[in-house]
Amino acid sequence: AQTVTQSQPEMSVQEAETVTLSCTYDTSESDYYLFWYKQPPSRQMILVIRQEAYKQQNATENRFSVNFQKAAKSFSLKISDSQLGDAAMYFCAYRRVSGGSYIPTFGRGTSLIVHP
Amino acid sequence: SQTIHQWPATLVQPVGSPLSLECTVEGTSNPNLYWYRQAAGRGLQLLFYSVGIGQISSEVPQNLSASRPQDRQFILSSKKLLLSDSGFYLCAGTYRAGYNEQFFGPGTRLTVL
Repeated sequence: AQTVTQSQPEMSVQEAETVTLSCTYDTSESDYYLFWYKQPPSRQMILVIRQEAYKQQNATENRFSVNFQKAAKSFSLKISDSQLGDAAMYFCAYRRVSGGSYIPTFGRGTSLIVHP
Repeated sequence: SQTIHQWPATLVQPVGSPLSLECTVEGTSNPNLYWYRQAAGRGLQLLFYSVGIGQISSEVPQNLSASRPQDRQFILSSKKLLLSDSGFYLCAGTYRAGYNEQFFGPGTRLTVL
């Protein structure tokens, strides 16, 4: 079974600085999708960024980028120029490409604190 | 774009009372739908998922049940609530094509007293 591990329960960063959230996963599949979701205090889950395993290029969405290391099964999220609105719980998720139920596996989350 | 509506946003119920939480989807048809529960400061626990009308799969044995009477409607129910049913309930959907990332509703905070 696939597992997703977020080893940092909590991280903090100063406003305008850069922070990296780590995520590792375990799978025997060669193709899959990886996601980072953000859950702010409102608790509405929002997709931040996604990555297809067969794509070597790291995904980027504005200030958010990933460092995808397929061999190491690592998928870290880098937030540049951190803003107060980035304070949230961040969840890493894995999903197989095939499978009718499309059930992702989520990590336990990392709480990001942004200091002004 | 796709949107998931959930109601109510907050609910306080006595132990032993029934429960009905509703989730509806806009902007996509034939989605897979999911019910998650999230304890405070914790991750997501998948409760049920559905790949179509009347098709429900349960991930964990519990006091809850789910139904999908229409393509874009997913209902979470209980006949008699327990204290342990308290939590934050999220409904999510997935496209059947593309990246299949999940899109989430705003959630329902349930407190059982």
